[in-house]
Amino acid sequence: NAGVTQTPKFQVLKTGQSMTLQCAQDMNHEYMSWYRQDPGMGLRLIHYSVGAGITDQGEVPNGYNVSRSTTEDFPLRLLSAAPSQTSVYFCASQGHSSGANVLTFGAGSRLTVL
Amino acid sequence: KQEVTQIPAALSVPEGENLVLNCSFTDSAIYNLQWFRQDPGKGLTSLLLIQSSQREQTSGRLNASLDKSSGRSTLYIAASQPGDSATYLCAVEDTGFQKLVFGTGTRLLVSP
Repeated sequence: NAGVTQTPKFQVLKTGQSMTLQCAQDMNHEYMSWYRQDPGMGLRLIHYSVGAGITDQGEVPNGYNVSRSTTEDFPLRLLSAAPSQTSVYFCASQGHSSGANVLTFGAGSRLTVL
Repeated sequence: KQEVTQIPAALSVPEGENLVLNCSFTDSAIYNLQWFRQDPGKGLTSLLLIQSSQREQTSGRLNASLDKSSGRSTLYIAASQPGDSATYLCAVEDTGFQKLVFGTGTRLLVSP
């Protein structure tokens, strides 16, 4: 089925470990982004990309890296995990529907850092 | 900095009621506003998108309005059903950027 696929769905890390959250979309969307969702905070933008080879920082980029080598994939890397990065992470892609931008979200990745 | 607020934080109604969810934003220079639904443990599903030049959008029992000058949007749900139980989020996209600023959501419970 067309959409945004995130893996893994759940992950437990120890402080200092590194990992990559994967995100893939098959809708040929140019724009992709990563958000984190924390209780009482709403979703906050981490990084976004307007096309292959182009990335930029969002509201809360510290501690995360991204790259966009293909249109389909937009992985999020945690270089040295910290307990403050415990959150639910959502990847989203954005295309055009009837001339307007509609955001499509993945199912989320729940990360716990001990 | 754009800030988005949603009131109430939680709402419980009996089945069949019409209800209104509110969203306010501090900077009226927005590109568009979207309403999303989030079910527990799931991702977000886009419900309605209102461009800055539009006043409202409708989809089935849902109607969203936008008043940029006052920085407000409402989501009207007609004849609520238990299946409408979810968290509803609004988000604004600032002009010229592909970045959304989200509210913290309204958790809706519709009882049979």
